[in-house]
Order: sequence, then structure tokens, then C-alpha cells
Amino acid sequence: GENVEQHPSTLSVQEGDSAVIKCTYSDSASNYFPWYKQELGKRPQLIIDIRSNVGEKKDQRIAVTLNKTAKHFSLHITETQPEDSAVYFCAALNQAGTALIFGKGTTLSVSS
Amino acid sequence: DGGITQSPKYLFRKEGQNVTLSCEQNLNHDAMYWYRQDPGQGLRLIYYSQIVNDFQKGDIAEGYSVSREKKESFPLTVTSAQKNPTAFYLCASDLRGTEAFFGQGTRLTVV
Repeated sequence: GENVEQHPSTLSVQEGDSAVIKCTYSDSASNYFPWYKQELGKRPQLIIDIRSNVGEKKDQRIAVTLNKTAKHFSLHITETQPEDSAVYFCAALNQAGTALIFGKGTTLSVSS
Repeated sequence: DGGITQSPKYLFRKEGQNVTLSCEQNLNHDAMYWYRQDPGQGLRLIYYSQIVNDFQKGDIAEGYSVSREKKESFPLTVTSAQKNPTAFYLCASDLRGTEAFFGQGTRLTVV
């Protein structure tokens, strides 16, 4: 089945710096790759997603890139702020396109 | 609040007992999921259902059971066969291949 690897597991940056989280997936048939943010004690919420027909998508300070050939996708956060501190999860649809498979998460800490 | 509700928020179970976690959605989503979250393990798929009266095992289905008798409801039973049930359980729903919405989660503790 689909397997999603996510790195790093923890990431600490200074306010204003950029943060990059990387994920790889195993199933070349996967075509949907969302990113979720989970703040402490809260439910995961979608922050951005990308489909396999595009290579990059941007929404204000966050962007996601997709390399289908290499089967990896990345989340980029620019001008980080303390409120960006959270756990971030990448995900990919499984082979049948029926369920999301998540990475293990990255704990991002932004210090002011 | 997101249209998907889990209950209870906290649940305590004695060893050897079965316990059922509730998940209800009013988003008219076809697909519903159960994930387990442990520290450092991310979100692991337990079961999912794409349609009423049908469901499939995820990566860690052993010791769990589900039913999907109604589109709105997807309860998860943690059986006594689950060796390490203490965890945070998240239910989600989506319209196949679109944004998944999560419930607020149930924290299960075995005492």
C-alpha cells in the first residue's frame, strides 16, 4: 500500500526565517497531496493541497511543490511567525484513491 | 463546528472491556475514516468507509471493528483484542479526494 515518509520530525526556526518540510510517497498513482496543521489540543486542519497535474501552488506565506518523477512534495513556509508553531502532516491518497495516508508529522517551533 | 462530531472527548476503559467511540457528520460526505494518533507516530489509518454498509481495513485494523449503517455515522469499537488501546482517536470525512474534515478527537485511556 501507499507509504508516506516525512522529514524532519522536529524543526526549530527563528521568527522571520523560512521552514521547509519534505515528504516522499511510494505509489506513483497517487494524485492528491494535502498538508494539515494541528495546533496543540486541536484537530488537524487543511492548510494547502496540490494535485498531480500541477508542480507548485502558493497561498500567501505557504507554498507546496510536487515532483512526480521523484515522488516527493514539500511544504514551504516563509516569514515564519510564532503562530505557525504546530505539528504539520503531509498526506497522499492511497493506491485506490479511497483513503488518505499520513506522514508521521513535523513539530515546527518558531521562536521570537 | 466543522460538521463532524466525536464523542466522548475523554474515555476510560478497564482492561478486557470493549468500548465504542462515536463519530457523526452532517456534511453529506460519502467517505469516513478512523485514525489513531500516538506521539511520534503521526496519523495511522484504522478503518475507512466509502459508502454505507461497506468498509475496509486500514494499516492497523487489528483489535478494532466498525459499522456504517447510516451515511452520517461511523462508530469505532475498540475491542479487548487491541493490545495497546491508549491513544488519541480521530474521525474524519470527505468527498473522495477532497479536503478531509476532522472531528475533535477522543482520548482513550485504559485503566
